[in-house]
Amino acid sequence: NAGVTQTPKFQVLKTGQSMTLQCAQDMNHEYMSWYRQDPGMGLRLIHYSVGAGITDQGEVPNGYNVSRSTTEDFPLRLLSAAPSQTSVYFCASTFRETQYFGPGTRLLVL
Amino acid sequence: SQKIEQNSEALNIQEGKTATLTCNYTNYSPAYLQWYRQDPGRGPVFLLLIRENEKEKRKERLKVTFDTTLKQSLFHITASQPADSATYLCALDGGSQGNLIFGKGTKLSVKP
Repeated sequence: NAGVTQTPKFQVLKTGQSMTLQCAQDMNHEYMSWYRQDPGMGLRLIHYSVGAGITDQGEVPNGYNVSRSTTEDFPLRLLSAAPSQTSVYFCASTFRETQYFGPGTRLLVL
Repeated sequence: SQKIEQNSEALNIQEGKTATLTCNYTNYSPAYLQWYRQDPGRGPVFLLLIRENEKEKRKERLKVTFDTTLKQSLFHITASQPADSATYLCALDGGSQGNLIFGKGTKLSVKP
């Protein structure tokens, strides 16, 4: 099993550009979530999904969209990137309360 | 709203000693609490889960306690090694399955 995979590893965007952060898991977990991690702020929940076709907002959802068309994939879309979205983004899947994290995507918005 | 605090941003100890990390929370009664390890440039990795009706849980050199009266969890690493150096995150049950609330973490450095 590859576990949770994320692409790209690193991305530089200009303000106003859009992009999609990819997340996939091969463990057949129903629950998936997206976090951002900033220095001094810890991990903050952006969006989560309890299964295909169902998504909900977390603590910091503004500026981000998600969809869940399959159990395996949970992409995160930045519609119009802003410097405040410079962060490290982690995707996770959950099984029996334990979260399995991907390696992260480091995003820099100029 | 729920608040979770890890008392120290950083903890430096000597190899062989026991490291003790603290996690406190307020305004909440979580069903369980978890500890994760995060190495630089990597995602967090699950270590231990302890439920509200458990006082203590052990895994190899790791021990977690959970005091629901004090609203506190202690995380111990005995006979610490330089390889234990990492950031350790405390996380509370967020009220729905899979939803966790994370502390900011404590960076542990174990010196040889």
